[in-house]
Amino acid sequence: TQLLEQSPQFLSIQEGENLTVYCNSSSVFSSLQWYRQEPGEGPVLLVTVVTGGEVKKLKRLTFQFGDARKDSSLHITAAQPGDTGLYLCAGADKNRDDKIIFGKGTRLHILP
Amino acid sequence: NAGVTQTPKFQVLKTGQSMTLQCAQDMNHEYMSWYRQDPGMGLRLIHYSVGAGITDQGEVPNGYNVSRSTTEDFPLRLLSAAPSQTSVYFCASSTGTYGEQFFGPGTRLTVL
Repeated sequence: TQLLEQSPQFLSIQEGENLTVYCNSSSVFSSLQWYRQEPGEGPVLLVTVVTGGEVKKLKRLTFQFGDARKDSSLHITAAQPGDTGLYLCAGADKNRDDKIIFGKGTRLHILP
Repeated sequence: NAGVTQTPKFQVLKTGQSMTLQCAQDMNHEYMSWYRQDPGMGLRLIHYSVGAGITDQGEVPNGYNVSRSTTEDFPLRLLSAAPSQTSVYFCASSTGTYGEQFFGPGTRLTVL
């Protein structure tokens, strides 16, 4: 059973376009994190959200945590080729003693 | 600070062989974890530790052992390698369950 569903699995868009990727679950999370992973490297943390409804911005990236703390979204404005990578969400599952659960990721490719 | 280091970076084993993947961190983090990453499966937790002398099983612990004799080191042992253990293995450390996870560069393991 996949507890964290990420969509879409793959996304290929032109430079300059906007995009949103989603992370959804039926579980409630104490906190949720977004990571970016490049080929041959480990994931690198982008942001942690902990409060329902929280919105955080990191330059052109906007992260939102759902009010019920069951879902999150990542919006990228004016995508750049440097945004290419695998985006992973991870949540501390309240039903599993706050163990960290990862989604399968969204593979994003920005075409120049 | 070196952060999280892993050795080796690549390894090829024959079925039935044993080996130890090394992981070390110099950030004095209490929490350390081992994940495996397989295509289409995302990151899955193998074992984790909340401090020296304390370890617990994650989602996919079978075939792996861990120990935590010091805060810095968290080795992962494959007792009798199987082809199903072919994967990329990541070690991570964290200040706590809700904290940012710092990942190592990974070990790519192939079991023939």
